[in-house]
Amino acid sequence: DGGITQSPKYLFRKEGQNVTLSCEQNLNHDAMYWYRQDPGQGLRLIYYSQIVNDFQKGDIAEGYSVSREKKESFPLTVTSAQKNPTAFYLCASLAGAADTQYFGPGTRLTVL
Amino acid sequence: GENVEQHPSTLSVQEGDSAVIKCTYSDSASNYFPWYKQELGKRPQLIIDIRSNVGEKKDQRIAVTLNKTAKHFSLHITETQPEDSAVYFCAASMDTGRRALTFGSGTRLQVQP
Repeated sequence: DGGITQSPKYLFRKEGQNVTLSCEQNLNHDAMYWYRQDPGQGLRLIYYSQIVNDFQKGDIAEGYSVSREKKESFPLTVTSAQKNPTAFYLCASLAGAADTQYFGPGTRLTVL
Repeated sequence: GENVEQHPSTLSVQEGDSAVIKCTYSDSASNYFPWYKQELGKRPQLIIDIRSNVGEKKDQRIAVTLNKTAKHFSLHITETQPEDSAVYFCAASMDTGRRALTFGSGTRLQVQP
């Protein structure tokens, strides 16, 4: 999991602003995922991508967008349409034939 | 879609005692069941996992059991230590399709010295 980086560690957003969270991996993993974690809860899937230039909505995709232009990068944009974006955001990646997902260190987003 | 339920939500044990956390899943197609440990403000760390073709797996003080018929799996920690204190999450996924993890709601384990 040391091969996945997320930035920034903390992010503050004013209402009405879009913000982009970075996720980069150097593990040569094909699949990448974005999860959201609210206090005292488990992780929920926002978006995922199994190959470059392809991505799919997860369980809570409304108000979010992603891109996958490079294998190493899977940025997440939190748009103004996301009504309650304050949460801990975790990116993960998965090798092609393996089961284990490795997580990045997370970005804590707070709406002011 | 898959639904994973986890119990208890909090668990307090004395150092040296055993701790057991239980999860049930809904989709019989799920075939991979990892357990993650998460310390406050940190990323989840995989501690043990099991596939559906295995009934039990052990790694030192940690073991996981799986009952496919009943669709439940459990984490067992023996000889607990204060550093075991954390939030533990179970999860389930399939090796086909999106392969994303569906998480339980977590168990906060407190080991009292």
